Amino acid sequence: NAGVTQTPKFQVLKTGQSMTLQCAQDMNHEYMSWYRQDPGMGLRLIHYSVGAGITDQGEVPNGYNVSRSTTEDFPLRLLSAAPSQTSVYFCASSPQGGTQYFGPGTRLTVL
Amino acid sequence: AQSVTQLDSHVSVSEGTPVLLRCNYSSSYSPSLFWYVQHPNKGLQLLLKYTSAATLVKGINGFEAEFKKSETSFHLTKPSAHMSDAAEYFCVVSGNTGTASKLTFGTGTRLQVTL
Repeated sequence: NAGVTQTPKFQVLKTGQSMTLQCAQDMNHEYMSWYRQDPGMGLRLIHYSVGAGITDQGEVPNGYNVSRSTTEDFPLRLLSAAPSQTSVYFCASSPQGGTQYFGPGTRLTVL
Repeated sequence: AQSVTQLDSHVSVSEGTPVLLRCNYSSSYSPSLFWYVQHPNKGLQLLLKYTSAATLVKGINGFEAEFKKSETSFHLTKPSAHMSDAAEYFCVVSGNTGTASKLTFGTGTRLQVTL
């Protein structure tokens, strides 16, 4: 069981570039979510999904898109990266109403 | 709406002395509460969770937390700190929106353990 995996671990982008952060889980969890972690602010919810084909916005969704075509995968897309998106990004998954398990994170720097 | 306040951004203790990390919560319904730990440059690990069963919750590595509804608190304690406990600790409340469980994180408490 790999749990929740995220790729890449590190990424540097230039302002305006686009990229996709990958997240996958092998636990057949319905619920998946993306958070960003910034110093002194804890983790903030970006987008979440309660199952394949269903996504919704969290606390800080602007500048990010998501889709959920399969139960296993939940990619996060940055359409036009900005320096304000420099952060550490965590993906999490859980069974319905259960404990969330977090991936190892992706450290993103936007220059 | 739900929120979490971690009352200390930084706590320093000596090895072998007790640890107390304070957390107050606000929720419009019966919450689920969690403590997660994050070691430097690592992901988040669940320490313990409260889900309306026993109010005193025991977690991993000797940590425990007590849910006090009257005080809206969920403080994390450990009788004797170890150097390996140095990390950032997050108090988290879970709110159910339909079938989804959305987590709201506190801003974190950095625990420093000195010799």
